[in-house]
Amino acid sequence: DIQMTQSPSSLSASVGDRVTITCRASQSVRTYLNWYQQKPGQAPNLLIYDASTLQHGVPSRFSGSGSGTDFSLSISSLQPEDFATYYCQRSSSTAVSFGQGTRLVIK
Amino acid sequence: EVQLLESGGGLVQPGGSLRLSCAASGFTFNSYAMSWVRQAPGKGLEWVSGISGRETEYADAVKGRFTISRDNSKNTVYLQMTSLRAEDTAIYYCARDLTRGDGGWDLDQWGQGTLVTVSS
Repeated sequence: DIQMTQSPSSLSASVGDRVTITCRASQSVRTYLNWYQQKPGQAPNLLIYDASTLQHGVPSRFSGSGSGTDFSLSISSLQPEDFATYYCQRSSSTAVSFGQGTRLVIK
Repeated sequence: EVQLLESGGGLVQPGGSLRLSCAASGFTFNSYAMSWVRQAPGKGLEWVSGISGRETEYADAVKGRFTISRDNSKNTVYLQMTSLRAEDTAIYYCARDLTRGDGGWDLDQWGQGTLVTVSS
């Protein structure tokens, strides 16, 4: 099975900072890679699909890049509502898997 | 407005069974693949199972114990869970694919989840 590994597991940042979260696949997943945001007590929310396509309604400060095995999610200028947990997900396969999550906290 | 409403969670003993339901509204249900994703307390997300028009898929952890099905006349997807274990304790979310057709498992609409607790 393809494993998805995110780094870091936890990240401390301030409002206005630019942050980047990375996701590495143990084998190529081409661009079948999604990013989700989850806030406490809520269901996940799709941010990016196909590695770099912004989901409708998601602010443009979010961006995704990568292909093959290495991917990243960037937030250009952190807003208070962005402090949450972020997950990458390998999609479009018979073995869907999520990364372990990156918790973004306020410094 | 798309709505997904899960039900059927609760407390069950190890080895027991439970059936979860997810009632969908606000979209053409029979055109979309659907998934179940779970989250153990304080842990990350785990995709459990998905169903498109023709095919079903399962995570290795539940294969042979869980069965996903759908009733398009009722706009409802189900997850029949048998031989439950303590490690199946989680919030179970129902989720819809982003685009119509076969399961790509890009999950753009989610319910609020139903809690399953497996304990004696």
